[in-house]
This record gives sequence, structure tokens and C-alpha cells, in this order.
Amino acid sequence: AQTVTQSQPEMSVQEAETVTLSCTYDTSENNYYLFWYKQPPSRQMILVIRQEAYKQQNATENRFSVNFQKAAKSFSLKISDSQLGDTAMYFCAFMKQRRGNMLTFGGGTRLMVKP
Amino acid sequence: GAGVSQTPSNKVTEKGKYVELRCDPISGHTALYWYRQSLGQGPEFLIYFQGTGAADDSGLPNDRFFAVRPEGSVSTLKIQRTERGDSAVYLCASSLDSGGTDTQYFGPGTRLTVL
Repeated sequence: AQTVTQSQPEMSVQEAETVTLSCTYDTSENNYYLFWYKQPPSRQMILVIRQEAYKQQNATENRFSVNFQKAAKSFSLKISDSQLGDTAMYFCAFMKQRRGNMLTFGGGTRLMVKP
Repeated sequence: GAGVSQTPSNKVTEKGKYVELRCDPISGHTALYWYRQSLGQGPEFLIYFQGTGAADDSGLPNDRFFAVRPEGSVSTLKIQRTERGDSAVYLCASSLDSGGTDTQYFGPGTRLTVL
């Protein structure tokens, strides 16, 4: 079974600063996907970024980037130029590369961006 | 509609009652997932549909929980004899084919409160 751990229950950052959210996971799989989802108070789970484990290059999406360390089973999210709208719960998630596989989520990190 | 929709948004019921929660996936998405998110935690997998059939129901906690997707589109999660511990946000997600490469898109969830 896979496990995903987010060791930071809460974090805060000043607007326009950079913040990094941590995630580690445990799996015996070699092929898989990793995701960061954002969940604002509206409850809608929004995909922020995804990473294929077979890719060495770290994924980036505008202000969001990841540091994927496969050997260390680490997958951190960096948010640059933080904006007030980034305030939300952030969940790291794992999915096997196989049809019909569910997401396994971490416990989440609550991020507060302060003006 | 463009996204996954779920109804009702909120449901309050009494212990022992029966409830149904509905999910409308993105048009054309053949894979559909149900997750349960308890307060302060990440979502946990309940069941996965590929088309009309439940391909994986290993996450259903007990036989009080059941889900259907009779025409391969809309799905209903049914909970019998509700208990206070069933209180949670129930999230639905859909994806194109779940071939291991398809991103899951989430609905806004149904918050179930069992009094």
C-alpha cells in the first residue's frame, strides 16, 4: 500500500514571497504519478501540478514548481510570488500508473498568504 | 456543464436514515471515483467505476455504503442506516479513461451531516 505524508499542517507566507510545501511518500511501484491539489474553502479540489515519475525534469506551471526526488521519495511544491488567492489547503497525492487507480492523498497543509 | 457537479451541496440527516448523493461527471469521462473527506484530513478512496460497472469498491467502509452508475454517466452514492461517523464531505471525480495517465477532475463535494 502507498502512503503519503505531509509533515507541515499549517504554513504562512507573506504576499509576493516564496514558500515550499513538503511531501514524502512510500511505495514499491516504479511507475507512478504525483500531484498537488489545492482546496479552497469552496471545497473544490483543483489540480495545481502533476509529475510523472519516469520524467527526471521537474514539472512547472507558471508560479508553481516541484522538486521531485525519486530516490528520496520526496515531492515538494514551491509557490513563487505568493498571492492572496493561493490561500487554501494543499494536498499531495500519489497514483499508480495503472488503469483505474485511485489517488492516495496526504493529510494536507493549510497555507495562509498574508498581505 | 464544463465540470463535475454534485448534488446536494449540503445534506443534513438523522442517525438511521437513508441518503443518496449524486454525481454528474464531465461529459465523455468514462471513469468515475468517489472519495470521502473527513474533517481535517485528505480524501480517502471509496469506489471506482469504469463505465457502468464498479471496477474497484475496496474503499467502501461497510455494506451500508453502495454506489451505482446505471448508464455510465451519473452516479449515486447510497448510504443506509446513517451513523454520526458518516459525517464528512463526499467528493466525486471523473477522468477520461483512467489509463494511468488521466488527471482526475473533482466536483465541489456534498457535505453530509448526520445528527
